[in-house]
Amino acid sequence: SQKIEQNSEALNIQEGKTATLTCNYTNYSPAYLQWYRQDPGRGPVFLLLIRENEKEKRKERLKVTFDTTLKQSLFHITASQPADSATYLCAPSNAGNNRKLIWGLGTSLAVNP
Amino acid sequence: DAGVIQSPRHEVTEMGQEVTLRCKPISGHDYLFWYRQTMMRGLELLIYFNNNVPIDDSGMPEDRFSAKMPNASFSTLKIQPSEPRDSAVYFCASSLPESQETQYFGPGTRLLVL
Repeated sequence: SQKIEQNSEALNIQEGKTATLTCNYTNYSPAYLQWYRQDPGRGPVFLLLIRENEKEKRKERLKVTFDTTLKQSLFHITASQPADSATYLCAPSNAGNNRKLIWGLGTSLAVNP
Repeated sequence: DAGVIQSPRHEVTEMGQEVTLRCKPISGHDYLFWYRQTMMRGLELLIYFNNNVPIDDSGMPEDRFSAKMPNASFSTLKIQPSEPRDSAVYFCASSLPESQETQYFGPGTRLLVL
C-alpha cells in the first residue's frame, strides 16, 4: 500500500540554523508533492508545491527538493526563527487524481531562541 | 475573504447520538474536502466533492458516516450513530477549479464522543 514517512522524532534546532525535514514515499509515484504547516489547534496551511519534473522550488526562506529516484522530498527552512516552530506535513498526489492527497504524519519542529 | 468556515468548533456528545458538522467553503472554490485527523493516523481524506457532486468517498469509514453538499456554499458531514472511536478533529478544505491543487483548510471541529 502507499506509504508516506516523515521524520517521526521532533526536530529541535537553534535559531538561525537551517532545518531540514524529510518525506519518503513507497509504492507510489506522485506527480506532485505539497508541503503544509500546521500550528496547534489550527488547520494546515499550504506552503509549497513541487512537480515531478522540478528538482527544486524556493519561496523566501523555504526550499523544497523532489527526487523521484530516491522517492524523497526534502524541505529546508534557512535562517530559522522561533516563529517557524510548528508541525510540517508533506502530501503527495498522483497526476490522475491530483486532488486526492495522501498525508504524512508530520514532523514537529521547534526552533529555540 | 473569510476563509473556510466550520461549525461547531467543539462538540461533545454521547455514544449513539447523531453528530452533524458543517462547512462553508471559500466563495468560488468548487472543490470541497472532508478530512479526519488523529494522532495515530494523521490526516485522512474522507470524501471530496466537485461542483457539489461527490467524486471520491472511498475514505468514508462506514455507513454511519454520510456527507452532503446541497449547494456551492454549504456541506455537512453526519455521523449516526456516533461511537467513541469517532473522536477526532474533522477538517473541511476547499480549492479552486484551476490546475493549482492547493487546499485551504478551515479551523476544524474537535469531536469527542463519550
